[in-house]
Parts: sequence; structure tokens; C-alpha cells
Amino acid sequence: EAGVAQSPRYKIIEKRQSVAFWCNPISGHATLYWYQQILGQGPKLLIQFQNNGVVDDSQLPKDRFSAERLKGVDSTLKIQPAKLEDSAVYLCASSLDSAGYTEAFFGQGTRLTVV
Amino acid sequence: AQSVTQPDIHITVSEGASLELRCNYSYGATPYLFWYVQSPGQGLQLLLKYFSGDTLVQGIKGFEAEFKRSQSSFNLRKPSVHWSDAAEYFCAVGAPNNNDMRFGAGTRLTVKP
Repeated sequence: EAGVAQSPRYKIIEKRQSVAFWCNPISGHATLYWYQQILGQGPKLLIQFQNNGVVDDSQLPKDRFSAERLKGVDSTLKIQPAKLEDSAVYLCASSLDSAGYTEAFFGQGTRLTVV
Repeated sequence: AQSVTQPDIHITVSEGASLELRCNYSYGATPYLFWYVQSPGQGLQLLLKYFSGDTLVQGIKGFEAEFKRSQSSFNLRKPSVHWSDAAEYFCAVGAPNNNDMRFGAGTRLTVKP
């Protein structure tokens, strides 16, 4: 079974530029998550989708971050414009269903460096 | 909202020694509890989880964890550490029925030969 796929693996941009990350969850997984992991910290949930609807985006900085999951499969996370403090690893995860709990599987992440 | 504290930022143990990583959580009811491991450049891998029932949970790679409600703790243990266990370990707490996991800051494990 293929895992959660993320691209790119690494990205370096200048502050005020825009960037987008892509995630393809495990086939059949209804729930998709985006986490931000700043160096030295644990992952922080940015947004959670159930199919193509948003379940929780309370910690997403909506002035600069946006995410979508069209057709309820793959997802993109965008930052526009980027700030230095956005340097982090962005992790995508998916799980079978959010009704009750099922295990979340994580991708390898995209490491973003903003200079 | 739920939260997690991992008091130890970095722990060093000798290969073959026992290991205990501490995790304390804050949540008003019985939480879902998890331990994940993250090796350099890798994604997070689930070691074990607690939802209900037996408070001593067995996981992969020889790890176990014990849920202690009275202490709001879910410490991870391994009787004999291997060099390949060197990694970052994260404790996470979830609220039932919403799949919203909150992670601790992590504990970095170094294994001495």
C-alpha cells in the first residue's frame, strides 16, 4: 500500500514570495491533515479535512495560509506571502475516517526555508 | 483543548539500558493517547496508542506505555534500548470523536554505544 505522498521535499524561498505544497493521501482515506513542525517543536495542526470539507482550521493563519482539497482526494497548502517564521517542516497525514478514531499516517514532509 | 507536556527535551542512555520517556497530558475526560517516533528525515511513525481498556499498552519495536489517570501520564518504556532507537519521540493526545491530535514538543533520544 502506498503511503502519503508529499512534494516537494525541500523548498527555499525569499520572504514575501508565495509557495505551495502538495499532498496525496493514502487511497480511500477520508480525513486529511496538514501540520506545521517548527524546529525543536512538536507538530501543530493547521487544518483538518473530512473528504473535501474543512473540519478544523482554527490554528491556520488565514491571512496568509490557505488550503484546499478539491474532489476530496489530494490537497494543496499555500502560503502567500511567506514570512521568516514560516520556516518549518509541513507534514501531511491521512486517516481512514474521523468518526471515532483511526490511525493517522504521515508523509515525509516538505521542509520550507524562508530567507 | 487538550495539551501535552514532555518534560525531557533530550535524554541519553547507553545501549542495552532501560528507557522511560515521560508524557503528561491535560484533558477533561479520558483521552486518546499516542506515541510517535520520528527518525531524521523521516515521517512520524506510530509506536502505540491507548483508547480504553488495559492501561498497559504494547507497541511496535518492543515499546510499551502505561496510562495512569491519577497522574495524567502516559510514559513510554523499553527494557533494553538499541542503537537504532535513537530518534525524536512525540507524545500526542486526541479528543475522542474529532481526531484532533495535539503533540508535545518531543524528546530527543541519544543512544551511547
